[in-house]
Amino acid sequence: EDKVVQSPLSLVVHEGDTVTLNCSYEVTNFRSLLWYKQEKKAPTFLFMLTSSGIEKKSGRLSSILDKKELSSILNITATQTGDSAIYLCAVEAGGTASKLTFGTGTRLQVTL
Amino acid sequence: DSGVTQTPKHLITATGQRVTLRCSPRSGDLSVYWYQQSLDQGLQFLIQYYNGEERAKGNILERFSAQQFPDLHSELNLSSLELGDSALYFCASSVDPRARMNEQFFGPGTRLTVL
Repeated sequence: EDKVVQSPLSLVVHEGDTVTLNCSYEVTNFRSLLWYKQEKKAPTFLFMLTSSGIEKKSGRLSSILDKKELSSILNITATQTGDSAIYLCAVEAGGTASKLTFGTGTRLQVTL
Repeated sequence: DSGVTQTPKHLITATGQRVTLRCSPRSGDLSVYWYQQSLDQGLQFLIQYYNGEERAKGNILERFSAQQFPDLHSELNLSSLELGDSALYFCASSVDPRARMNEQFFGPGTRLTVL
């Protein structure tokens, strides 16, 4: 059974801090790893990492995929209160089908 | 706004009843996915459709069924509802699951409460 584990479960930091969120996975037929941000409702897409794109950056957010260690990290630098959310890691597996297995998420709270 | 729409926003119903959740994918997306998110389970994949055909099945109960119509909108039918079916139901869409970059974009969700 495909499995995605995220750590830590929850994190509280001060504004301006840098955080690193972890995701490890065990899946058959790995295709890609995705990061989503979930605030009040729908998960919002952040990054997709594949074998041919193992590092992505957008503003203060960046992510790296380590295919050897079957893991990924999401870094957020100079955190802001607006970064407070649940960060979800998902792994896409399958051939012509596409099935996402999600981790339980990391709840990040950024305080003033 | 992801471009994926879901109706209704909230639904409150009684045990034993049947409900239908509706999803319209982003323009141009052929694939639709349904997920269930409950407090204790996290996001769980239910089922995927591509261009009208079922493509992959996850942890979907036999009481639940779905379909994708020729105009690509999808409906998730939940019957003989139980208290434990109370959850947020998300629909997501993507262009083509065979594509190299196949990001899924999520709709705002339907919150189902079973009393």
